[in-house]
Amino acid sequence: QQQVKQSPQSLIVQKGGISIINCAYENTAFDYFPWYQQFPGKGPALLIAIRPDVSEKKEGRFTISFNKSAKQFSLHIMDSQPGDSATYFCAASRDSSASKIIFGSGTRLSIRP
Amino acid sequence: EAQVTQNPRYLITVTGKKLTVTCSQNMNHEYMSWYRQDPGLGLRQIYYSMNVEVTDKGDVPEGYKVSRKEKRNFPLILESPSPNQTSLYFCASSFVGAQDWGDNSPLHFGNGTRLTVT
Repeated sequence: QQQVKQSPQSLIVQKGGISIINCAYENTAFDYFPWYQQFPGKGPALLIAIRPDVSEKKEGRFTISFNKSAKQFSLHIMDSQPGDSATYFCAASRDSSASKIIFGSGTRLSIRP
Repeated sequence: EAQVTQNPRYLITVTGKKLTVTCSQNMNHEYMSWYRQDPGLGLRQIYYSMNVEVTDKGDVPEGYKVSRKEKRNFPLILESPSPNQTSLYFCASSFVGAQDWGDNSPLHFGNGTRLTVT
C-alpha cells in the first residue's frame, strides 16, 4: 500500500506564482518529513525537512506546512522561478531512520516564464 | 568532494544477460541503499545495507541481488534481467543515526543509472 500519497502528479505555474504540492501519510509513527528536489539527469537532493513538533518551517522561498492532526504536509514555493522546474518528492521516515524512508510518487513542476 | 558514484549512467541489455551496476561512496557512510524510480510510482527501495556484510530486502527485491563486502561499495546485480526491470536506478548512502544527520539530508543520492532491458 502507498503510505505517503502525493498530489498533484504534475503542476504548471506561472513565474512569480505560488506552487503548492500536498502529501498525506497514514502511519502516525513517522517522525521526519523531508522534501527532495530532482533535476533531469540528477539524483534527488534534500530541499527542506520538518519534524512533527513544529507546524511550519521556512527556508528562503520554500515553506513546509505540517498538520499533524490531519496527517498532511505540504510544500509551498513562493515567487516560483523557471529554475524551480523539477520533480519534487515528499517523504516520511519512521524512527528517524534512513532505512525507513518512504517516498511519495513525485510531482513534476513546470514554471512558465 | 563528497559524492555517491554510480556506473554506468546508461545501460541497454537483453533479457537474461547478467549485469552489475556499481555504486561507491566516499563519505564513510554505514548505510547504503538501492532505489528504482518509475513514473507515477516514485522511488521504491530494492535492497539496503546497514553496514558491511549486513543487507536486507526493501519493498521490491525480486530479481535483484546485492553485496556489501566493503563499506564504500554496494553493487546491484541483476542475474537474469527482464523487461519489467527497465527503470531508472539510484544508489543512496547515509549515516545510520539521526543524530549524525544534522541539518543535512539523511540520504545522498548518485546521479542514476538508466537501464533498458529488451
